[in-house]
Amino acid sequence: EIVLTQSPGTLSLSPGERATLSCRASQSVRSSYLAWYQQKPGQAPRLLIYDASSRATGIPDRFSGSGSGTDFTLTISRLEPEDFAVYYCQQYASWYTFGQGTKLEMK
Amino acid sequence: QVQLVQSGAEVKKPGASVKVSCKASGYTFSSYYIHWVRQAPGQGPEWMGIINTSGGSVTYAQKFQGRVTVTRDTSTGTVYMELSGLRSDDTAVYYCARDRLPLRLGEFSYWGQGTPVTVSS
Repeated sequence: EIVLTQSPGTLSLSPGERATLSCRASQSVRSSYLAWYQQKPGQAPRLLIYDASSRATGIPDRFSGSGSGTDFTLTISRLEPEDFAVYYCQQYASWYTFGQGTKLEMK
Repeated sequence: QVQLVQSGAEVKKPGASVKVSCKASGYTFSSYYIHWVRQAPGQGPEWMGIINTSGGSVTYAQKFQGRVTVTRDTSTGTVYMELSGLRSDDTAVYYCARDRLPLRLGEFSYWGQGTPVTVSS
C-alpha cells in the first residue's frame, strides 16, 4: 500500500498570500497518478487537481499542482477567503489511498 | 447534471449491519465505476471498494474484505454498500464517488452528499 504523508498538518496564512502544500509518497506513484481535493466542513471532497498537474473543470487557475515520483506539491498562488479548508492528496496508481490532510486556516 | 444521491443517516448497534444506497443520475450509469469511501471524524478519507456498474464485478480494500458487500441495480441506477459486523470505529461518513472518465480507474470527480453512520450501544 502506498502511504501518503502530507505536510504541514496546519498552515496559517492570510488572504493574498501564497500557500504551498506537500504530499510525499512511500513509494513512487507511477504516471503521476495523484490528485488533490479540497474539503469544507460538512461537505464532500471536491476534486481540484488530477494527474499531478491538471486542473479539474471549473477550478480557478490560482490552484496548481506539480511533482512526480514520490514528491508532490499543491500551490495556491493568492489565497482567497473561500480557499481556507482542508486539502487531501490521493494516489490512484495502486488502488487508492489518501493523505491525512493539511488544514489551511486564516491567520 | 451528474448527481449521486445517498440514503439518509443511520444509527446502529455494535454487531449490526448497515446498507447505504447511492442513486446516480445525469449520465450513462453503466459507463462509470462507482467507489465507496468513508471518513471517520477528523480523519482523512479511506477507500473501501469499487464496483464495475456494467458487469457487476467488485474489488474491496483488504481491510474490509469479508465485511463489505457492494451491489448495483442497473434498472434504477443505484449502487448499494452493506457493511456488517459494525464496531464503534466504523462510525464515519460514508460516500459514494464516481471516476472522472468512463471505464478508467482514476480520480473522483463526483461525490454523493455523504451518509453519516453512527455505531453506538
